[in-house]
Amino acid sequence: AQKVTQAQTEISVVEKEDVTLDCVYETRDTTYYLFWYKQPPSGELVFLIRRNSFDEQNEISGRYSWNFQKSTSSFNFTITASQVVDSAVYFCALSEASQNRDDKIIFGKGTRLHILP
Amino acid sequence: GAVVSQHPSWVICKSGTSVKIECRSLDFQATTMFWYRQFPKQSLMLMATSNEGSKATYEQGVEKDKFLINHASLTLSTLTVTSAHPEDSSFYICSARDSAQGRLDYGYTFGSGTRLTVV
Repeated sequence: AQKVTQAQTEISVVEKEDVTLDCVYETRDTTYYLFWYKQPPSGELVFLIRRNSFDEQNEISGRYSWNFQKSTSSFNFTITASQVVDSAVYFCALSEASQNRDDKIIFGKGTRLHILP
Repeated sequence: GAVVSQHPSWVICKSGTSVKIECRSLDFQATTMFWYRQFPKQSLMLMATSNEGSKATYEQGVEKDKFLINHASLTLSTLTVTSAHPEDSSFYICSARDSAQGRLDYGYTFGSGTRLTVV
């Protein structure tokens, strides 16, 4: 069964520091998708990234970067030079893509990130 | 880009009444939609998978008679919380996948959520 573990429940860092959010996943499928979402206090989910299981290239988007390592089943997310506006709950998620699955997205428990001014 | 409209954004109802939440894909067709529930400071828990024209598939522990899902068209799925009680108070979010995209394209779009308070 698919499972996503975000061991860090809550993190606080001072503005401008770098912070890494950990994500470890479990799946029996060879084809799957990993996601990161941001949920600000307003509640809506903001899509950050989607990565398929065949693409292990790391990705950088501005101050955000992601490190996907199949060998350790991890998909970690780093925010460089953090800003107060980065304060939110961040969810890592997984979807299995085999033909006989219904493609549902399963979320980790989330990491609440506080960026202190 | 793909947009999913979810209404209402918040609702307060009396215990024992029913509440209907709509999830509508505005610019794409969605044969599959998903309903999630999120209690305060917790994760999003999948409640059910809604398929157009067929019965929804409920996750273990979710009462299908209490949470009625109807996916009557390719752009609309509804979740009705029947005989609501205070413990049903939660944040409900829907998600839709664009049917036109290939299975390996994975264009999921989430609604903005509905905050339900049962008093």
